[in-house]
Amino acid sequence: QSVLTQPPSVSGAPGQRVTISCTGSSSNIGADYDVHWYQQLPGTAPKFLIYGNSNRPSGVPDRFSGSKSGTSASLAITGLQAEDEADYYCQTYDSSLSGVVFGGGTKVTVL
Amino acid sequence: EVQVLESGGGLVQPGGSLRLSCAASGFTFSSYAMTWVRQAPGKGLEWVSGISGSGGHTYYSASVKGRFTMSRDNSKNTLYLQMNSLRAEDTALYYCAKGPYGDPLGYYYYYMDVWGKGTTVTVSS
Repeated sequence: QSVLTQPPSVSGAPGQRVTISCTGSSSNIGADYDVHWYQQLPGTAPKFLIYGNSNRPSGVPDRFSGSKSGTSASLAITGLQAEDEADYYCQTYDSSLSGVVFGGGTKVTVL
Repeated sequence: EVQVLESGGGLVQPGGSLRLSCAASGFTFSSYAMTWVRQAPGKGLEWVSGISGSGGHTYYSASVKGRFTMSRDNSKNTLYLQMNSLRAEDTALYYCAKGPYGDPLGYYYYYMDVWGKGTTVTVSS
């Protein structure tokens, strides 16, 4: 059971917008620690997607965007494409655990 | 091209030991913190341990502290994870990942910008 809660799954039709929430607490996201996001395509290693809450590394399409407010963060995918079907994970620091924490992961399905 | 490549996984009995390696290339290895992350079969990502660029600072999750030791040889551009007293719950795919900086003060806030393909550790009798 992760201290960062993500919905197990979200789905959307091609072209639609989906959002993935990452809900934490006052010892992690609420303490203003940065949130980062990763994409894991089926059978592959995770890929760095968003850093510092809302920044995209070079090469990541601008269809992906991140935000943070209070004790939660969100990843949005606009113009959903078949190739976006993957697991997505949020990551931050938790001061109570004194360690790096990941969310439980969210499977995105393109209908 | 910036790359990291893990090796050393395998089948080990409960209570046994194993040493994982991660060979880095394409970047100045000593300038960057490194991290081990694992993923149990069908499960999510779990942070295992981290190390600063110089190797002078190490960080461990509660689940492995006292059993695992992370180290690096900057002259060989190689990262290590010595795993002792292995348990069934340590069975996972172990990933090596590069951080964006080497400064130990910021390690916990770093993201992981380059990941290897992983090496599988199975703990079973």
